[in-house]
Amino acid sequence: GAVVSQHPSRVICKSGTSVKIECRSLDFQATTMFWYRQFPKKSLMLMATSNEGSKATYEQGVEKDKFLINHASLTLSTLTVTSAHPEDSSFYICSGTKREGLHNEQFFGPGTRLTVL
Amino acid sequence: GQQLNQSPQSMFIQEGEDVSMNCTSSSIFNTWLWYKQDPGEGPVLLIALYKAGELTSNGRLTAQFGITRKDSFLNISASIPSDVGIYFCAGQLHTDKLIFGTGTRLQVFP
Repeated sequence: GAVVSQHPSRVICKSGTSVKIECRSLDFQATTMFWYRQFPKKSLMLMATSNEGSKATYEQGVEKDKFLINHASLTLSTLTVTSAHPEDSSFYICSGTKREGLHNEQFFGPGTRLTVL
Repeated sequence: GQQLNQSPQSMFIQEGEDVSMNCTSSSIFNTWLWYKQDPGEGPVLLIALYKAGELTSNGRLTAQFGITRKDSFLNISASIPSDVGIYFCAGQLHTDKLIFGTGTRLQVFP
């Protein structure tokens, strides 16, 4: 397998502030990283696809100016929630893609719980 | 965004019972995956299926890739308390992007 970490694991912030979440692949280089959002008792919804050195590709309905993604290296991607509001409160999960045999496998981080007051 | 339909939505079973859940889509996929998510954690891959009709086992888990490429099922035999969690199917087409199912919440009682 492979290990993906996220920092912080949980964060509480005031409405209007910005929050940065880090996603690191600890023992492999992730060709691609993905960011998901999960509301309580719901499924994971893909927000964006992130490739090192290029702009992220956002899914329909996800505001790229609100959710800034920076993929600085093959082991680090960051998601910044700008001007956060209570409706942005959610569980944010990242994943990194690694070649396993003939296929690419996604390894998921432990998630970051964001609460906006 | 697009989601796959999973059923049942939740299951409450006794330890030792077998479990079956399935996932359906209106569109075809090249790969079907099954994940388990524990509370407050990211999902962990259980089984990956790459060919239509493929039947794959991982310990007490068995999954099949439907012949139409629009569905998949997961069976868990002889359930144990640590099987508790949420099970998600996911479909993948040409890129590495995953489309997740709605989830099946499993509760196992001793």
